Amino acid sequence: AQKITQTQPGMFVQEKEAVTLDCTYDTSDQSYGLFWYKQPSSGEMIFLIYQGSYDEQNATEGRYSLNFQKARKSANLVISASQLGDSAMYFCAMREGTTSGTYKYIFGTGTRLKVLA
Amino acid sequence: KAGVTQTPRYLIKTRGQQVTLSCSPISGHRSVSWYQQTPGQGLQFLFEYFSETQRNKGNFPGRFSGRQFSNSRSEMNVSTLELGDSALYLCASSLRGGTGRLNEQFFGPGTRLTVL
Repeated sequence: AQKITQTQPGMFVQEKEAVTLDCTYDTSDQSYGLFWYKQPSSGEMIFLIYQGSYDEQNATEGRYSLNFQKARKSANLVISASQLGDSAMYFCAMREGTTSGTYKYIFGTGTRLKVLA
Repeated sequence: KAGVTQTPRYLIKTRGQQVTLSCSPISGHRSVSWYQQTPGQGLQFLFEYFSETQRNKGNFPGRFSGRQFSNSRSEMNVSTLELGDSALYLCASSLRGGTGRLNEQFFGPGTRLTVL
């Protein structure tokens, strides 16, 4: 079973509009972290936003906000006022503990966002 | 503060050869993780090193190995290359690799390996 599910392979949004990228996750851990990364065509993964499982408020970082619904196990990324430079691949990731007491990241399959002028 | 650096950026090898990729983490970061990214499989975790010890490993064959040096720099080696090893190999560093926000991973630009 997929631990991180991103159901939107591709999305279009008009410049200056807001867009929501979906992410659902599956874990039995009580302590975990959720991340969103942006990957432009250059290939580098750029950290956008983090949400801890115990954080009571939704995370925000500039134009990025995370709509965290713990009971539904969803962590959707909201980008407000889209810009042409936001066109990229977006990955949702979860960091959870392992049976050996360490941690690992699990990534979703990504959503390719295209911002239209 | 300099970011994560990876060398080389591009590499072309032939089947059966071996390759070594290098990753220098952000200064002060002690955890280094490696990922393989392909169009078909997405981002897959290879392994993580912390203080020169491998403490987590993904589901990859033994041809994939790595190590970490005392200065936290890490190398990844792939022996007996196969066509399917063609991928973008990403390295990420973090302070300790825990679940807290301060242990978020910062990625390097990647090494794009092509196996002919």
